[in-house]
Amino acid sequence: EAGVAQSPRYKIIEKRQSVAFWCNPISGHATLYWYQQILGQGPKLLIQFQNNGVVDDSQLPKDRFSAERLKGVDSTLKIQPAKLEDSAVYLCASSLAQTSGGSYNEQFFGPGTRLTVL
Amino acid sequence: AQSVTQPDIHITVSEGASLELRCNYSYGATPYLFWYVQSPGQGLQLLLKYFSGDTLVQGIKGFEAEFKRSQSSFNLRKPSVHWSDAAEYFCAAGNTGGFKTIFGAGTRLFVKA
Repeated sequence: EAGVAQSPRYKIIEKRQSVAFWCNPISGHATLYWYQQILGQGPKLLIQFQNNGVVDDSQLPKDRFSAERLKGVDSTLKIQPAKLEDSAVYLCASSLAQTSGGSYNEQFFGPGTRLTVL
Repeated sequence: AQSVTQPDIHITVSEGASLELRCNYSYGATPYLFWYVQSPGQGLQLLLKYFSGDTLVQGIKGFEAEFKRSQSSFNLRKPSVHWSDAAEYFCAAGNTGGFKTIFGAGTRLFVKA
């Protein structure tokens, strides 16, 4: 079974530039997550999709970050404009559909995209 | 506020020695608890999880964890560490339905020969 795919694996940009990351979840996984992992910290959830709808984006800096999952499969995360503090690894994860009050379905993580903002 | 604390930033153990990684949580009601491992350049892999029932949970790669409600802890253990266990380990807490999973800052494990 193919895992969660992410691209690019590495990206270096200058501050104020824009950048986009792509994620292809495991086939059949309705729930998709984007996490930000700053060096020395654990992953922090940015946004959670159920199919093509947003379930939780409370920690997404909406003034500069955006994400979409138009067809309920692939997803893109964009940063515009980037700041120095956005340097981090951006992890995508997917799982079978999560429902409030329902059982927990394991999240499977991709390898991440390491972003360096100069 | 909800939080997961891993008190040890890094730990070094000798190959063959036992290991215990500490994790404390603050989450209101008893959350679901997880341990993940992350090797360099890799995503996170789930080692084990606790939802309810037996407080001693067995996972993959010979790891186990014990849930102690009175101490709000979920420590990870392994009786004999292998060099390939060197990685970063994350404790996490989540709630029903898989929402709002919170991760600790991680503990980096070094294994010496």
